[in-house]
Amino acid sequence: QKEVEQNSGPLSVPEGAIASLNCTYSDRGSQSFFWYRQYSGKSPELIMFIYSNGDKEDGRFTAQLNKASQYVSLLIRDSQPSDSATYLCAAPSFYFGSGTKLNVKP
Amino acid sequence: KAGVTQTPRYLIKTRGQQVTLSCSPISGHRSVSWYQQTPGQGLQFLFEYFSETQRNKGNFPGRFSGRQFSNSRSEMNVSTLELGDSALYLCASSLDLPSTDTQYFGPGTRLTVL
Repeated sequence: QKEVEQNSGPLSVPEGAIASLNCTYSDRGSQSFFWYRQYSGKSPELIMFIYSNGDKEDGRFTAQLNKASQYVSLLIRDSQPSDSATYLCAAPSFYFGSGTKLNVKP
Repeated sequence: KAGVTQTPRYLIKTRGQQVTLSCSPISGHRSVSWYQQTPGQGLQFLFEYFSETQRNKGNFPGRFSGRQFSNSRSEMNVSTLELGDSALYLCASSLDLPSTDTQYFGPGTRLTVL
């Protein structure tokens, strides 16, 4: 069974801070990873994917992948209250973590 | 381009009944995946269809089944409903391979089993 694990949170950060969301996975063969954001009452939407070791940046978001440690993270810089949501990590491509709830306090 | 649509949006059923949910993918997308989302278990994969064939399957009992039509529209069926089947059922479409292509989720069908 391929597993993806996340801390369910909630993770609370003040507005303007960096939010760090983490995810570990069990399948060493996994090649790509996806981060989805899900607002309360809405469906998940893709915010980033990463398939190479190292960092991938997109605006205020940076995804980090460490295949040796089987670890994926998402950093959100200059966090905004509108970033408050549940963030889901997914391994290719059907295995989702339970999600980390992020609260950004104004 | 229209997004993924799901019907109905809400359903209330009683134990023992069966239910059929429908999903229309984004035009041109050939892969449709189904997920069950509950507060306790998170997002769990049911099955994936591509070109009318079930290509991947999760660990759900046989009461859960699906199919895909030639126009890529998909349906899932749950027979002999149990209280534990109450959940948000999401479908997602992608161009081809969900492992590399972005999955776009529909708004979901909220199923309540009484």
